[in-house]
Amino acid sequence: DTEVTQTPKHLVMGMTNKKSLKCEQHMGHRAMYWYKQKAKKPPELMFVYSYEKLSINESVPSRFSPECPNSSLLNLHLHALQPEDSALYLCASSQRDRTTSGSYNEQFFGPGTRLTVL
Amino acid sequence: AQTVTQSQPEMSVQEAETVTLSCTYDTSESDYYLFWYKQPPSRQMILVIRQEAYKQQNATENRFSVNFQKAAKSFSLKISDSQLGDAAMYFCAYRNYGGSQGNLIFGKGTKLSVKP
Repeated sequence: DTEVTQTPKHLVMGMTNKKSLKCEQHMGHRAMYWYKQKAKKPPELMFVYSYEKLSINESVPSRFSPECPNSSLLNLHLHALQPEDSALYLCASSQRDRTTSGSYNEQFFGPGTRLTVL
Repeated sequence: AQTVTQSQPEMSVQEAETVTLSCTYDTSESDYYLFWYKQPPSRQMILVIRQEAYKQQNATENRFSVNFQKAAKSFSLKISDSQLGDAAMYFCAYRNYGGSQGNLIFGKGTKLSVKP
């Protein structure tokens, strides 16, 4: 299995709703990432989990709450979002590079969740 | 801080022809990785090709090859025999060698159109 899956593919939510995005990989990768991507822009890093521990939070508002329940799963909990949070949310994972100490190899991306906040 | 620049917002190529996408980067590091990712309208980011900075030989993957000029900090992607399925947004990305989380720094992207 060499893929990253994300559910749902599309999500429409109101500003008062609570929803979650899910990401799963079975490649044994120990780093997982959440990105936000606006139309015609590159992905922007939000969070990085390394060995199920949050290692990077790129000053993301608290209405986004990541969770890594185990080495294969990554969730992004959403609450009280704003219309400007509408975007494509991408998940990625990577494996530790055996040739470099502490480094992770290239990232494999999921297909993304298209989020619309009304 | 490292930066990645893609100076061509849009490019167009005729089917079966060759096209080159440009990428330059800025870093003070001597060891790093460079990548080209493809993102078609289906949205999935797909790794096209990868280059290790310590390797002098340019990476190739079938119809895709790079021209890596380390001194000039240039990393262009050449697509030969272009196909309709090559139409996509292409992102150049940089990663430090030995960086603990493998964070990627992306360029702004080049939208490639392929004309039949």
